Amino acid sequence: EDKVVQSPLSLVVHEGDTVTLNCSYEVTNFRSLLWYKQEKKAPTFLFMLTSSGIEKKSGRLSSILDKKELFSILNITATQTGDSAVYLCAVEASYAGGTSYGKLTFGQGTILTVHP
Amino acid sequence: EAQVTQNPRYLITVTGKKLTVTCSQNMNHEYMSWYRQDPGLGLRQIYYSMNVEVTDKGDVPEGYKVSRKEKRNFPLILESPSPNQTSLYFCASSSYRGEQYFGPGTRLTVT
Repeated sequence: EDKVVQSPLSLVVHEGDTVTLNCSYEVTNFRSLLWYKQEKKAPTFLFMLTSSGIEKKSGRLSSILDKKELFSILNITATQTGDSAVYLCAVEASYAGGTSYGKLTFGQGTILTVHP
Repeated sequence: EAQVTQNPRYLITVTGKKLTVTCSQNMNHEYMSWYRQDPGLGLRQIYYSMNVEVTDKGDVPEGYKVSRKEKRNFPLILESPSPNQTSLYFCASSSYRGEQYFGPGTRLTVT
């Protein structure tokens, strides 16, 4: 059974702090790892990672994948109150020799609270 | 505007009364998926579809059915809803290996 574990489960910081969110996984036939941000509505896509060691960056957010150690981190620098949200990590598996894809397993999420 | 729509957004129903939650996307995406979100359990995949007439089970398919007769639509059917299917449901779509867009969610209560 595929498994995704995120840590910490919750985090409270002040504006301007830098945070690191962790995601470890066990999955048969790994295909990709995805990060989402969820405020009080539907999740919104942040990053898709498929290759080890290549950092993806978008503004103050960045993420990297380590396929050998089976984890990913999401960094947020100079946090703002608007970064307060649940951050979700998911892994995608492939099946049937790689012809079937799209089975996603999500972690429990990390609740990030940024105080002014 | 590119979007995923779900209907209804809110539904209160009784045990055993068949219901369908519709999902439609206007982005010509091949891939569509249904999730349920419950406190403490996170998002769990119910069913997904790689393309028309191709569907597969996620982690929690019991009690649900889906069909993909057209590329744009992916309805979720509960033939005999039970209280443990009370949840927040999300539909999502993406192009091949692309960014996944989520619908606004359907909050279902089964009494």
